[in-house]
Amino acid sequence: SQELEQSPQSLIVQEGKNLTINCTSSKTLYGLYWYKQKYGEGLIFLMMLQKGGEEKSHEKITAKLDEKKQQSSLHITASQPSHAGIYLCGAALNFGNEKLTFGTGTRLTIIP
Amino acid sequence: DTEVTQTPKHLVMGMTNKKSLKCEQHMGHRAMYWYKQKAKKPPELMFVYSYEKLSINESVPSRFSPECPNSSLLNLHLHALQPEDSALYLCASSRVLAASNTGELFFGEGSRLTVL
Repeated sequence: SQELEQSPQSLIVQEGKNLTINCTSSKTLYGLYWYKQKYGEGLIFLMMLQKGGEEKSHEKITAKLDEKKQQSSLHITASQPSHAGIYLCGAALNFGNEKLTFGTGTRLTIIP
Repeated sequence: DTEVTQTPKHLVMGMTNKKSLKCEQHMGHRAMYWYKQKAKKPPELMFVYSYEKLSINESVPSRFSPECPNSSLLNLHLHALQPEDSALYLCASSRVLAASNTGELFFGEGSRLTVL
């Protein structure tokens, strides 16, 4: 089983609507990263969260890490076609662990 | 310069060929990574280098041979690959090694490998 589960696996949203993507682990997350990937391309860093309860925003994207540091959400407000892509959460699953494990990914499609 | 550059972007090779993937960064990062990504799957870690020394090998078959000739360059030498090795190979770098540090990973665009 995957150590980092994302939901939903895919999402189709009408332009202008809000959406949320979740990333869940059974282990404590030491450093939680959100990346976006266009098909067949490299990963673009969005945000990084470290502390329980932490929340960060950039433009229309907000990411949160829960107090237990086992779940993170990514919220997009007023979605635009440019938001389409694959969203991946990544985390170090052990303190001081240099291995970044990625979640299963969420494919976001924005329809006009 | 905040880029990680990978070459070639596309590579087609036979099972008896020897080829190499190259990765370069000029951000002064001291940790570099190779990830493998199959279609519709998340990237999976293959190797990690820290200060030009191999730090992690995720039990990768010996037909993949990494090399870090200096702090800016990372190579992946390929020999006697199998068709199932066809994938997108992503290179990344970070300021320091630990993912739990504040250092984000910067990724290249990837090299798409097809093994015939």
